[in-house]
Amino acid sequence: GQSLEQPSEVTAVEGAIVQINCTYQTSGFYGLSWYQQHDGGAPTFLSYNALDGLEETGRFSSFLSRSDSYGYLLLQELQMKDSASYFCAVRGSGTYKYIFGTGTRLKVLA
Amino acid sequence: NAGVTQTPKFQVLKTGQSMTLQCAQDMNHEYMSWYRQDPGMGLRLIHYSVGAGITDQGEVPNGYNVSRSTTEDFPLRLLSAAPSQTSVYFCASSYSPSQRRQETQYFGPGTRLLVL
Repeated sequence: GQSLEQPSEVTAVEGAIVQINCTYQTSGFYGLSWYQQHDGGAPTFLSYNALDGLEETGRFSSFLSRSDSYGYLLLQELQMKDSASYFCAVRGSGTYKYIFGTGTRLKVLA
Repeated sequence: NAGVTQTPKFQVLKTGQSMTLQCAQDMNHEYMSWYRQDPGMGLRLIHYSVGAGITDQGEVPNGYNVSRSTTEDFPLRLLSAAPSQTSVYFCASSYSPSQRRQETQYFGPGTRLLVL
């Protein structure tokens, strides 16, 4: 089967850097996506890694290593508004089906 | 552009009732999908469509039907509601994954469904 594992919760202070990991067990996939979801809201797209390496978008960076079956989302200069849940997702190779991880709840403390 | 819209925002059903959750997008996206989200769990794919007239099952399709008669609309039908279908339902759309563009999914605001 295919699964994506994330830590359930991460806590950090305002201004700090936090890394949210995503490890996966899947035979193949097209790329790793990250989504942010605030309480009561809809998921919104943050980042996508089609290839191994680092992708940077402002304060957010995402990394993928297919050989290690591992990716992460890096949030820098944390702000209170970054308190949310973060989900990694993949589309299985040869399919149009997306699989999401169970999500990591990030708490940013003042 | 309105993006992805969903109606209703909130619905209460009794066990055995049927209903249709509406989803529409105005971005001319080929790919549309329905997810359910339960507490402590990620999003689970119910059904998806890669274009008008083409639908397929996702991870948790039982108890749900879909159809795609137009590019814009992708309704989700609950045939006979059960308490286990109490959840938050999200519709999403994107360009066709087969085009290998950046695979960004745009989500609607969600429908909160309570089945008694």
